[in-house]
Amino acid sequence: GAGVSQSPSNKVTEKGKDVELRCDPISGHTALYWYRQSLGQGLEFLIYFQGNSAPDKSGLPSDRFSAERTGGSVSTLTIQRTQQEDSAVYLCASSLGQVRAETQYFGPGTRLLVL
Amino acid sequence: GDSVTQMEGPVTLSEEAFLTINCTYTATGYPSLFWYVQYPGEGLQLLLKATKADDKGSNKGFEATYRKETTSFHLEKGSVQVSDSAVYFCALVAGDSNYQLIWGAGTKLIIKP
Repeated sequence: GAGVSQSPSNKVTEKGKDVELRCDPISGHTALYWYRQSLGQGLEFLIYFQGNSAPDKSGLPSDRFSAERTGGSVSTLTIQRTQQEDSAVYLCASSLGQVRAETQYFGPGTRLLVL
Repeated sequence: GDSVTQMEGPVTLSEEAFLTINCTYTATGYPSLFWYVQYPGEGLQLLLKATKADDKGSNKGFEATYRKETTSFHLEKGSVQVSDSAVYFCALVAGDSNYQLIWGAGTKLIIKP
């Protein structure tokens, strides 16, 4: 079946602009996660959704970052007033959402470059 | 806080050599441990995992054993192939979490024919 998909695959933007990153999880997966992979910080957890709710937003680096999930499916990560330090690969993952520490399936990522 | 430390790369080996990539962790409670792999141009994928002490995870000839006494989860393979060239990430889900993966820095593995 189809895996996790993300769009766009690459995004170049100017400092100060807003960007939206999209994630389509595997069908039937109720849990969805966003991570960020950057040279300086490695892989970092950003936010977790169970259904449409985000019980854990602890990893969002600032109030410029927000995310939503609708219909228990597609999620959008929005970065407002982008800064150069936001340049990174943004990864989305999904899982069944049934048991602890279950396997997370990752999308190919969106590579964001802020000029 | 919880953390994962893995050996720095790149690790360069010849085909058919024995591979060890070290991974140690610090975590509260009883974490679950994972190895993920990222092949060139591809997304992260789970390689193997172990959820309790002394469990051995295995897949594609790779193995790792959850050692609570040494807080380690070293990745091993008896005979590597060129196709194993990738970046390998050790990760954990802490005992007080259900889902949040905490990652090591990744180890780039290069296998030469």
